[in-house]
Parts: sequence; structure tokens; C-alpha cells
Amino acid sequence: DGGITQSPKYLFRKEGQNVTLSCEQNLNHDAMYWYRQDPGQGLRLIYYSQIVNDFQKGDIAEGYSVSREKKESFPLTVTSAQKNPTAFYLCASVDSPNTEAFFGQGTRLTVV
Amino acid sequence: AQTVTQSQPEMSVQEAETVTLSCTYDTSESDYYLFWYKQPPSRQMILVIRQEAYKQQNATENRFSVNFQKAAKSFSLKISDSQLGDAAMYFCAYWGNAGNMLTFGGGTRLMVKP
Repeated sequence: DGGITQSPKYLFRKEGQNVTLSCEQNLNHDAMYWYRQDPGQGLRLIYYSQIVNDFQKGDIAEGYSVSREKKESFPLTVTSAQKNPTAFYLCASVDSPNTEAFFGQGTRLTVV
Repeated sequence: AQTVTQSQPEMSVQEAETVTLSCTYDTSESDYYLFWYKQPPSRQMILVIRQEAYKQQNATENRFSVNFQKAAKSFSLKISDSQLGDAAMYFCAYWGNAGNMLTFGGGTRLMVKP
């Protein structure tokens, strides 16, 4: 089955540590996105990539980094520079020009 | 930059009745897409309905329909014959071809009373 997979589902991080969230898709989509969702709030764009080896900052990129070495993979690293990383993170891919976004099941990151 | 606004943080509807969720957006583009996504307690994002801006006809998917007013930049979602399973967060989203990104509103929490 085609889809988009995020792992892990839950992640705990100590203050000062970097952590990497995985996002893999087998839909052959060119574009991939990372969103952050805080309780009771909407989705805010962190980074997006429209093609391999290229990515752009979204609205809240500070404290995050990404890479896009393969079409299927778009990992997100939450660095120690991110002051308030506790949140729900969603990865999505888009089949341009159809533009319907497919989402992973999310990763809940908690700083302990 | 495009912005999407959902002015109703919470809405409530009686089972089997109809409810309308509001969404407005700001853009200078003429060609774009609008979406409604549902996020149930599982937090999985589910596409409810999609509207192309160049189409005058309002999109419909079973019990879900939209009222798309391009000049007013308004895109409301009507849910008919509401069911308990409709209870969720609903997000309005905008996709513009120029920016090539999906911008979301703040969401509306819909509660369905039995």
C-alpha cells in the first residue's frame, strides 16, 4: 500500500539534545512538508521541499533543520536551538499538480 | 503571504442537523485551491473536500458541501445530517500555485451532541 510513514509515534528528548523525526513516503510525490501543531491550534509550516536536494524555510524554521537526499525521505531535526519543541509534528507529501496532501500519522515530541 | 482565518474556535451541532463552518482567506492570486481537512482524535488528517478556484460550481461530497464565494474570499463548509463520527477538528487550507505550499487556518472544533 502506498502511503506516508512517520516514526517514531512518540519521542522524548532531554533539553540540549538534537532529535531527528523520520518521514518516508512511497507515493512518488515530489513535494514534502513538515508542520508543527500545538494544542488546540492550527498547523504551521516548518520546512518544505519540492525536489531532491532542495528545500525552503516555512514560517517557523528557526531551531529546525531538514535534508532531502532521496525523493522518498524528508527527515526533520529538532535542534537544541528550538526553545519550545514540545509539540505534535506532521509530515505531508503532495502530488503536484493534483495538490491533494497526504499526511503521516504524526510524531508527538516531548521535552523532559 | 496568504492567510487563512477560521473565526469559530468551537461549534456544536445536534445529531442529524446541519452545521456550517466558516473560513476566509486573503490572497492576490487568481488560481488556487481550497480544502477542508478533518482531524479526529486519532490526529490523522483526512481530506474532506476540495475546491478549484476557477470552478464556479460548489464542490460536494456526500453530506459535505462548500459555499465558495471567490469575490468575498470566503469558503464555508456545510455538514448535513451530522453524525457522531463528524466530531473532530476541521481545518480550512489554501494552496496557491505561486507559493507551492499549503497554508492552514487555526481550526474549528466541532462537537456533535447525541
